[in-house]
Amino acid sequence: AQSVAQPEDQVNVAEGNPLTVKCTYSVSGNPYLFWYVQYPNRGLQFLLKYITGDNLVKGSYGFEAEFNKSQTSFHLKKPSALVSDSALYFCAVRDVPYTAGNMLTFGGGTRLMVKP
Amino acid sequence: NAGVTQTPKFQVLKTGQSMTLQCAQDMNHEYMSWYRQDPGMGLRLIHYSVGAGITDQGEVPNGYNVSRSTTEDFPLRLLSAAPSQTSVYFCASRTGQAWNTEAFFGQGTRLTVV
Repeated sequence: AQSVAQPEDQVNVAEGNPLTVKCTYSVSGNPYLFWYVQYPNRGLQFLLKYITGDNLVKGSYGFEAEFNKSQTSFHLKKPSALVSDSALYFCAVRDVPYTAGNMLTFGGGTRLMVKP
Repeated sequence: NAGVTQTPKFQVLKTGQSMTLQCAQDMNHEYMSWYRQDPGMGLRLIHYSVGAGITDQGEVPNGYNVSRSTTEDFPLRLLSAAPSQTSVYFCASRTGQAWNTEAFFGQGTRLTVV
């Protein structure tokens, strides 16, 4: 069975500093990995995904994520945080071809707080 | 370009009542799914569908029914609401034409069962 862990409930960072939101996963096959962001009272918005190829994936709003197969991690990063980045971030995995209906399994979410 | 539309946005039910959460998408996506979001637990899959007429259970299906009579619509029915079903519900859709496509989410329905 597949699973995703986000070990930090909350990450605090000062505006302008680099940020990292951690994600580790467990799968049986090849992982397809995703990051989503949720702003207050809104649905989830897609940020970026890793399918294959380059381990560093670039996405929306200046975010990037690094896939590390040996550490089974897919950490979300941004070189310089903005106050507007404050939101709830979810890591998700699709374990192809083992997942029923190829649906996503989500981590518990990490709240990012960027302070001015 | 509406994407995934959920109605209602908010709902309060009494224990034992039934209701249907509506979900519609206009992207001609084959795959649709329902998740519930609870604090600290991320999103958990309730039911999903890989095409019209095909549905299956996810991780937490008890107390919920779904049907998929058209490609566009995927309603979620609560048969007899319980306080444990207080949650935020999200509908999602994606194309089934490739393994690697991302899902699109609706705005969510915040349900409170008293």
